[in-house]
Amino acid sequence: EVHLLESGGGLVQPGGSLRLSCAASGFAFRTYAMSWVRQAPGKGLEWVSGISGSADSTYYADSVKGRFTVSRDNSKNTLYLQMNSLRAEDAAVYYCAKDHIASRPYYFDYWGQGTLVTVSS
Amino acid sequence: EIVLTQSPGTLSLAPGERATLSCRASQSISSSYLAWYQQKPGQAPRLLIYGASSRATGIPDRFSGSGSGTDFTFTISRLEPEDFAVYYCQQYGRSPLTFGGGTKVEIK
Repeated sequence: EVHLLESGGGLVQPGGSLRLSCAASGFAFRTYAMSWVRQAPGKGLEWVSGISGSADSTYYADSVKGRFTVSRDNSKNTLYLQMNSLRAEDAAVYYCAKDHIASRPYYFDYWGQGTLVTVSS
Repeated sequence: EIVLTQSPGTLSLAPGERATLSCRASQSISSSYLAWYQQKPGQAPRLLIYGASSRATGIPDRFSGSGSGTDFTFTISRLEPEDFAVYYCQQYGRSPLTFGGGTKVEIK
């Protein structure tokens, strides 16, 4: 059974940093691209970033490019999102999502339960 | 980026009725790379449809999708009590991936 468990969310001040993690199990982690999708309170879904299965390609939404960095450790079956220079508009539930293919962000057949990031002074 | 516009914003229907949701793209989506998700309060989204019309594993056949190019439709043939939720379309034909704003299907 596929299982995705996010962690690392919390309260951070504007301009601060946070690193999210997503521990994956139940599938061949290295053979699938992975993505982060966020949802601000009461709002819709926004794709944030993705990474290929081999970690040789990364993808970002314009809203986070230059501030966020996605990475993965295939030996630990773990996906990461390093978030720097956080802004109030980055506050959201961040979901880890398994892609359907290896090469690039596509559509998401499994999702974690999310981790809440709050940006406030 | 491709902007997806979903309509209506809210759909008020009774159990047993048919729900028809629309997703319109600002540019043609190649190869019908469009997915539909269901999200209930406090839960993660669930994949229902990919490739515009293919049901994901374990999804009942009362859920269906159609369309191509810029106009896509999602249909629930007969609403069950557990189908009342928010539905999102998502395109994956071109980066960045984008989602529509969602349609809430509520009990009338």
